[in-house]
Amino acid sequence: EDQVTQSPEALRLQEGESSSLNCSYTVSGLRGLFWYRQDPGKGPEFLFTLYSAGEEKEKERLKATLTKKESFLHITAPKPEDSATYLCAVHGGADGLTFGKGTHLIIQP
Amino acid sequence: DGGITQSPKYLFRKEGQNVTLSCEQNLNHDAMYWYRQDPGQGLRLIYYSQIVNDFQKGDIAEGYSVSREKKESFPLTVTSAQKNPTAFYLCASSIFVLRTISYEQYFGPGTRLTVT
Repeated sequence: EDQVTQSPEALRLQEGESSSLNCSYTVSGLRGLFWYRQDPGKGPEFLFTLYSAGEEKEKERLKATLTKKESFLHITAPKPEDSATYLCAVHGGADGLTFGKGTHLIIQP
Repeated sequence: DGGITQSPKYLFRKEGQNVTLSCEQNLNHDAMYWYRQDPGQGLRLIYYSQIVNDFQKGDIAEGYSVSREKKESFPLTVTSAQKNPTAFYLCASSIFVLRTISYEQYFGPGTRLTVT
């Protein structure tokens, strides 16, 4: 059974204070690991796909990395508009994506 | 603009009534999915379809039904048999799914269903 655990559940940072969000996973054969951003009351917005250990993807202030057991979403010099819930999901042996519960990120000006 | 539309955004129903949620995509994607999101929980898969006229149950299919008569459309019916139907429902689509590789799913804006 595919499993995803995200930590921390919530994170409050000052504007410009860099940090990392963690996604630990167990799957039977990883077909893809996905990061999404979700704003309140809206559908998740796709950010990154990672397929193999050592892979990295970057977009503006965000960088996603992948090992065999976990993925990190690094946020560099965040701005208040980066405040959102960040979701991690894997596609392994299950039929659809298995999601973590998310990390609720607040960036204070 | 390509994307996924869900309607309505908010839906209110009385207990015992069936209700159908709409999902349409113009991305030319083969695969479509329905998820349910509850506070404090991750998204959970209800049903998915990889091709027209074919669909499979996800983890929490009891009390739900779907159809896939057209590539662009994948409506979800919440029946009176669903014990806790109040939730945020999300539709998604992806290019296709292979045995060894998966492609990102794109989500619609969601429908918030309240049953009283």
